[in-house]
Amino acid sequence: EDQVTQSPEALRLQEGESSSLNCSYTVSGLRGLFWYRQDPGKGPEFLFTLYSAGEEKEKERLKATLTKKESFLHITAPKPEDSATYLCAVQSIYGGATNKLIFGTGTLLAVQP
Amino acid sequence: DAGVTQSPTHLIKTRGQQVTLRCSPKSGHDTVSWYQQALGQGPQFIFQYYEEEERQRGNFPDRFSGHQFPNYSSELNVNALLLGDSALYLCASSPERGNEQFFGPGTRLTVL
Repeated sequence: EDQVTQSPEALRLQEGESSSLNCSYTVSGLRGLFWYRQDPGKGPEFLFTLYSAGEEKEKERLKATLTKKESFLHITAPKPEDSATYLCAVQSIYGGATNKLIFGTGTLLAVQP
Repeated sequence: DAGVTQSPTHLIKTRGQQVTLRCSPKSGHDTVSWYQQALGQGPQFIFQYYEEEERQRGNFPDRFSGHQFPNYSSELNVNALLLGDSALYLCASSPERGNEQFFGPGTRLTVL
């Protein structure tokens, strides 16, 4: 069964304190791995797509990396506005005609000034 | 360029009632997926619509049904509401051959 596990469940950082979020996945055949940011009560906001091991994507203070078993979201010198829940999701090449996403439960990040 | 829109924003119903949620996809997108997100959980796939037909369904009972219109907008219907149906319902759109899905703001459904 395709599965996504994120750790830690919650992370509290001081402003400027860099860290990483982990996403471990089990999927029969990876079509893509996706990172989203979700603010409370809002819909997920797309951040990155990664397709193959070794691939990296960057956006402002965020950098996502991918291996054959996990992905990391590195946050460099975070600011309070980076506080949110970060969701990881995968798509399987055996998902049929759909591109349905299989999500983890997310990491709640709080950045204190 | 308008993103994905959903209505209503919030909804309160009682057990046994029926509800209809609406979604308009991002411009240029023809595929709509619906997800249910319980508090503290990740979104769970309900079903996907393409060319006005349900293309795939997740592990949800038949009380959950949907529809897609010729303009690609979509509705999610839930019958015989249960307390456990209380959640944030998310609509996501994508182009038919695209992998990225873009989400709307969601509809918060509370069942009392």
